[in-house]
Amino acid sequence: DQQVKQNSPSLSVQEGRISILNCDYTNSMFDYFLWYKKYPAEGPTFLISISSIKDKNEDGRFTVFLNKSAKHLSLHIVPSQPGDSAVYFCAASADNNDMRFGAGTRLTVKP
Amino acid sequence: GAGVSQSPSNKVTEKGKDVELRCDPISGHTALYWYRQSLGQGLEFLIYFQGNSAPDKSGLPSDRFSAERTGGSVSTLTIQRTQQEDSAVYLCASSLGRGRGNQPQHFGDGTRLSIL
Repeated sequence: DQQVKQNSPSLSVQEGRISILNCDYTNSMFDYFLWYKKYPAEGPTFLISISSIKDKNEDGRFTVFLNKSAKHLSLHIVPSQPGDSAVYFCAASADNNDMRFGAGTRLTVKP
Repeated sequence: GAGVSQSPSNKVTEKGKDVELRCDPISGHTALYWYRQSLGQGLEFLIYFQGNSAPDKSGLPSDRFSAERTGGSVSTLTIQRTQQEDSAVYLCASSLGRGRGNQPQHFGDGTRLSIL
């Protein structure tokens, strides 16, 4: 039962353009959402999060948008840089419950 | 820096052997998690430790899998009688706080386990 879905396994973007990574979830009890970034042979690192009381959270080049009615969130990276090339995992949790991760989207930013 | 440390980084073993994977969490983090990432898959939750509470073992795939956390710090994940489908990257994470939901987890670099 995959409660968090990242339907695009890969995304390729030109340097300087916007990268948009999407994530859908099925559990309406989820109230906290996170994005993690993972380089090869390293563990995931926390990137940005958003609480369900908000619909947008921004940190530098990274912005996460939450659409609760659609059970959808997205991560925008602008401008994209080659160093952003990595696998991005979406994660969601309900209070005091397990965090569920998506399968990841591999982002490639071309110079 | 004093991040989450996992050992070994790579482990190759024959089918049927037992393996032990170790995780040193960040000092002061009361919550510790084990995940598994199989090829092309997301992170699969295995087990969760929080302080002195009984662990949440709901994600362990079979009774061949077990984990301990001694003294509220170091954790060991043990897989007995390994099977080829156990081949994966095993990731450990730790976090602060009592609730799991809103505390970002800090991950180790994982142990890549290959069963021949």
